[in-house]
Amino acid sequence: ILNVEQSPQSLHVQEGDSTNFTCSFPSSNFYALHWYRWETAKSPEALFVMTLNGDEKKKGRISATLNTKEGYSYLYIKGSQPEDSATYLCAFESEGNTGKLIFGQGTTLQVKP
Amino acid sequence: NAGVMQNPRHLVRRRGQEARLRCSPMKGHSHVYWYRQLPEEGLKFMVYLQKENIIDESGMPKERFSAEFPKEGPSILRIQQVVRGDSAAYFCASSPGTAFQPQHFGDGTRLSIL
Repeated sequence: ILNVEQSPQSLHVQEGDSTNFTCSFPSSNFYALHWYRWETAKSPEALFVMTLNGDEKKKGRISATLNTKEGYSYLYIKGSQPEDSATYLCAFESEGNTGKLIFGQGTTLQVKP
Repeated sequence: NAGVMQNPRHLVRRRGQEARLRCSPMKGHSHVYWYRQLPEEGLKFMVYLQKENIIDESGMPKERFSAEFPKEGPSILRIQQVVRGDSAAYFCASSPGTAFQPQHFGDGTRLSIL
């Protein structure tokens, strides 16, 4: 059974704080690691697809890193804003099962003004 | 800017009835995926389809559930003889199918079983 773990489960920060959270995934049969942002009452929005060990991707104030050898990825948000409040999901895609995303439970971020 | 379209947004069925959930992928996308979110749980993979083919149905319950993606028209997730435990949000996603592309999600169908 493939396990994808995210921590922390929830996070409350003040506007302007920088924050980061973790996604752990199996280190074998790695194909890709996906990050999504999911706001309440909306659909999950794709942030990054990470494929290479050492990959670092950036979109505005959000960035992500990838370590496939040890099986973890970090998502960073610099200078959090209230509109960053959402649940952030990671999903593992394995070789031989491409297309099948195994999602973590998510980290719910609340940014207070 | 037509994204992934799912309908209906909400569906109410009585136990024993059939539920049909529809998904139209984004323009140019030939790969469709269905996920289910049970209450208090995360997104769980159900099935991966290309036009007229089921690629991976390892997440589908063995009975009462079926999915298709015909040559013309939307993908359909069909649940026969629904039970209370089928109450969930069902999400569809699509991708162009080329390697390392994100899956784009629809807004989901919330299925409630009375």
